[in-house]
Amino acid sequence: GAGVSQSPSNKVTEKGKDVELRCDPISGHTALYWYRQSLGQGLEFLIYFQGNSAPDKSGLPSDRFSAERTGGSVSTLTIQRTQQEDSAVYLCASSFGGLQGGNGYTFGSGTRLTVV
Amino acid sequence: AQSVTQLGSHVSVSEGALVLLRCNYSSSVPPYLFWYVQYPNQGLQLLLKYTTGATLVKGINGFEAEFKKSETSFHLTKPSAHMSDAAEYFCAVSAATSGTYKYIFGTGTRLKVLA
Repeated sequence: GAGVSQSPSNKVTEKGKDVELRCDPISGHTALYWYRQSLGQGLEFLIYFQGNSAPDKSGLPSDRFSAERTGGSVSTLTIQRTQQEDSAVYLCASSFGGLQGGNGYTFGSGTRLTVV
Repeated sequence: AQSVTQLGSHVSVSEGALVLLRCNYSSSVPPYLFWYVQYPNQGLQLLLKYTTGATLVKGINGFEAEFKKSETSFHLTKPSAHMSDAAEYFCAVSAATSGTYKYIFGTGTRLKVLA
């Protein structure tokens, strides 16, 4: 597609429920990233996929968080047993990768998650 | 390890005045540096980037930034602020960790433009 598409744009869920957030990157982009943006804070790295390589999961805050990327394209971020502190905007970005990270990201508009 | 510090979480300027948003970085290797802008309820948009070559980098919407290695800075400027520049601005450095690259972002500076 023309840009990075994220769905849903807004999600309200009850504490303890599982949620799935979807990211559809730009066609041809080999690198895909998930970040979390909490109110008044910067962007917190969560996970990075590059081609067929094993993902860099070093930013996932707990084992309740997981992500997968099927066929090198669409990615799903899953949060199990959601907690109120999970409330944030979850941003997905994609990139051509390579160039030692110098290509810049294209971000989606994000999913605003509210846990009540 | 790489890190980014943005001085001033909020900056206000008058319309037509100079915009200066400060960013300092820490990196053990030559950095790749970026500025992103985020308008309300939107994702981040790349303003400009420095990878190699000319240290003065021009971006979209009249913004530019200068990479100063001696000062470890990458400040964002615009000669004349416009009301439409009101947004949040993030500085980022590309960090290499175990062969993968991800961006380390600053905490952001919210720019307010006064009429």
